[in-house]
Formats: sequence, structure tokens, C-alpha cells
Amino acid sequence: KQEVTQIPAALSVPEGENLVLNCSFTDSAIYNLQWFRQDPGKGLTSLLLIQSSQREQTSGRLNASLDKSSGRSTLYIAASQPGDSATYLCAALMFSGGYNKLIFGAGTRLAVHP
Amino acid sequence: NAGVTQTPKFQVLKTGQSMTLQCAQDMNHNSMYWYRQDPGMGLRLIYYSASEGTTDKGEVPNGYNVSRLNKREFSLRLESAAPSQTSVYFCASSEAGRAQYFGPGTRLLVL
Repeated sequence: KQEVTQIPAALSVPEGENLVLNCSFTDSAIYNLQWFRQDPGKGLTSLLLIQSSQREQTSGRLNASLDKSSGRSTLYIAASQPGDSATYLCAALMFSGGYNKLIFGAGTRLAVHP
Repeated sequence: NAGVTQTPKFQVLKTGQSMTLQCAQDMNHNSMYWYRQDPGMGLRLIYYSASEGTTDKGEVPNGYNVSRLNKREFSLRLESAAPSQTSVYFCASSEAGRAQYFGPGTRLLVL
């Protein structure tokens, strides 16, 4: 079964810390991996997309890496701020059940306190 | 650009009632999707439309129908709502193999 797992499920850090969120997937034959942010009661905001041929993508304080061979992706957040508090979801695009399917992890709930 | 918009934002239905959730995107994407998000179950694909004029079942299609009205619009219909369909529904769009962009969601409660 194709699965995406995120560790840790929840994380609480003081403002200013650099932190790493982890995502692992069972099938290395992914097309791409996408990181999202979801605020409580809101939709998903796309943060970064890494194509299968890429190793990393950067946007501001965010850096996402992809290692297909080990089935892992990480989201690095530099100099965390209270405004970064949200749930972070990773999702891998795979071919499954006859179609290209975006398979989501359960998310990491991040709290950054002042 | 508004991105992906959804209506309504909230809805309460009684068991057996029907309703249509509307979704529109202004990014000229070919592909559109409907997901539901439930606690402990994550996001699951209900239906998708790879291009205008085509629709296909996803992971959890039972109890739903969809219409790809044109390139911009993709609606989701519940013909006879059940309490098990209480959920948050998200519409998304993308180009093939590219990032998916999500709408703000519709919160549905079926009593």
C-alpha cells in the first residue's frame, strides 16, 4: 500500500529556532512531492513543489529536499516565527489505482511560541 | 487572480437532502479535483477531471456525482446526503504533474 508518513505529529518550539519536518513515502516512483501549509479552519496553501528529478527547492525561509532512493523529504524552516504556526502537510504524486494520485501525510502540527 | 473559489463556505443539511458544491478556478488549469478531509483520515480524493469533458472516480466516490461544466468549473453533487458525508470538502486544480492549488473549503454538516 502506498503511504506517506509525517514525523513528528506535533512540534512546539520557541521563536527563532531552525526546525526540520520529516516526510517519508513507501513508493520511490513518485512524480513529485508537494508541501502545504494549513491554518485552522482554512484551505491548503502550496509552499513548495519538488519534481522527481530535483533534489531541493527554496522559497524564502523554507527549504525542501527530496531523496527518492530513501523515500524521504524534509522541510526546513529557518528562524521560525509565531506566524509559522500551522499544520504542514506533505503529499506525493504517484500512479495508483489507474490514475495519478496525490497521497497525503497526516501532517505535522507546528506551534511557534514567542 | 482569485485562484480556486468554492461556494458555499458552510452548509447544514438534513439526511436525504441534496446539494451541489460549486468550484471555479481562474488559472486556466486542465485538471480539477474534489477531496474530502476528515479527522484521522487525512485528505481523500473523491473525483477528478483530467481535462474538460472528462471525469473519473477517485478513492471515495460513492454517494457523489460530479460535472465538469467547462474548463473553469467543476461541481460536486450529493444526491441524498448521509451523516457519513459530514466533512470538509476541498476543490483543487493543477496542470498535469504540477502543483495542485486548493480552494478555501466547504464545511458540510449532515444531520
